[in-house]
Amino acid sequence: AQSVTQLDSHVSVSEGTPVLLRCNYSSSYSPSLFWYVQHPNKGLQLLLKYTSAATLVKGINGFEAEFKKSETSFHLTKPSAHMSDAAEYFCVVSDIDYGQNFVFGPGTRLSVLP
Amino acid sequence: DAEITQSPRHKITETGRQVTLACHQTWNHNNMFWYRQDLGHGLRLIHYSYGVHDTNKGEVSDGYSVSRSNTEDLPLTLESAASSQTSVYFCASSEQGSLGTEAFFGQGTRLTVV
Repeated sequence: AQSVTQLDSHVSVSEGTPVLLRCNYSSSYSPSLFWYVQHPNKGLQLLLKYTSAATLVKGINGFEAEFKKSETSFHLTKPSAHMSDAAEYFCVVSDIDYGQNFVFGPGTRLSVLP
Repeated sequence: DAEITQSPRHKITETGRQVTLACHQTWNHNNMFWYRQDLGHGLRLIHYSYGVHDTNKGEVSDGYSVSRSNTEDLPLTLESAASSQTSVYFCASSEQGSLGTEAFFGQGTRLTVV
């Protein structure tokens, strides 16, 4: 079965400093992985996705994620946090072998301090 | 532009009443999903459908039902609402059969059962 672990329920950074949100997954040989962002009282927006092409994936708003198969990880990074990055972030796995459903991690709340 | 629409956006109902939440997508996607979002759990899958007349139970399906009579709509019914079903509900859709296909989400329905 698929599962996703987000190692931090809450991350707090200062504006202008790097962001690291951690994600580990359990799935088959070739999963698809996604990061979604949810701003307060809003829907979910796709930040980026991994689909077995390049292991370093670039997304919107300066975010990147690196797929590491040996570590079953897909950590999200950004070199310099902005106040507008404060939101809830979800790591998601999907696998055709498991029926194309999307399995969510519990989420990481990112706070950005001035 | 294609979109996925949920209605109502907010609903207050009494314990024991039947409630139906609507979801309509214009992406022409075969796959549709219903999730509930609760603090600390991320999004959990309630029911899903891979096409017309196809419905399947997800992780937290007890007390919920869906039907799929056309491609565009997947209404979610709470047969007899309970306080434990107070939550935010998200509908999503995706293409079928493609590695890396992403899910598109509605804006959510906040349901309160009193």
